Amino acid sequence: GAVVSQHPSWVICKSGTSVKIECRSLDFQATTMFWYRQFPKQSLMLMATSNEGSKATYEQGVEKDKFLINHASLTLSTLTVTSAHPEDSSFYICSAQDSYSNQPQHFGDGTRLSIL
Amino acid sequence: GDSVTQMEGPVTLSEEAFLTINCTYTATGYPSLFWYVQYPGEGLQLLLKATKADDKGSNKGFEATYRKETTSFHLEKGSVQVSDSAVYFCALSLPTSYDKVIFGPGTSLSVIP
Repeated sequence: GAVVSQHPSWVICKSGTSVKIECRSLDFQATTMFWYRQFPKQSLMLMATSNEGSKATYEQGVEKDKFLINHASLTLSTLTVTSAHPEDSSFYICSAQDSYSNQPQHFGDGTRLSIL
Repeated sequence: GDSVTQMEGPVTLSEEAFLTINCTYTATGYPSLFWYVQYPGEGLQLLLKATKADDKGSNKGFEATYRKETTSFHLEKGSVQVSDSAVYFCALSLPTSYDKVIFGPGTSLSVIP
């Protein structure tokens, strides 16, 4: 079945560094991908919609300059957390929509980000 | 706006008990409805879905029926197992919003032997 791969699955880094998270659709093309953030014991909150070849659409309250999204190909979207701080620590999950089917989005396994 | 409401957790059940997790939604269009499951430390897995009124989604013994008149999509299972312990999210998507998925708050289920 359709698979979405997220990398890395876990990252620990120092405050002030930038962290890049990759989201790949392995066996389908995805014009649209989504990035979610999940705090402990809470639901997923949509951060932004990533559109291949164009700018991402951010949800209200999400800092565009903080969370940079690039969707340069039909199988890859990246989320870069710039100048990360401890409050950015969270579980980040991506999902991808198959461009040629009406099936539900496929979710990655998530990336646990810990900023020291 | 569009939203999903779920019953408050956590829910603790004995093995083989009957499970119901209530879910209601508010949407301006005609949403598709989903139940996702998240096991500890993992991402989300689609459990079942329904795309129109009166559709019944089912998978692994779980069922949910799309009730348009009550705007509900309650999850049920006749006999839960310890391996069903997880967090369950009810969700909806609207095709007019690039199929953006809106999640409910999640319900944590613990099944004890």
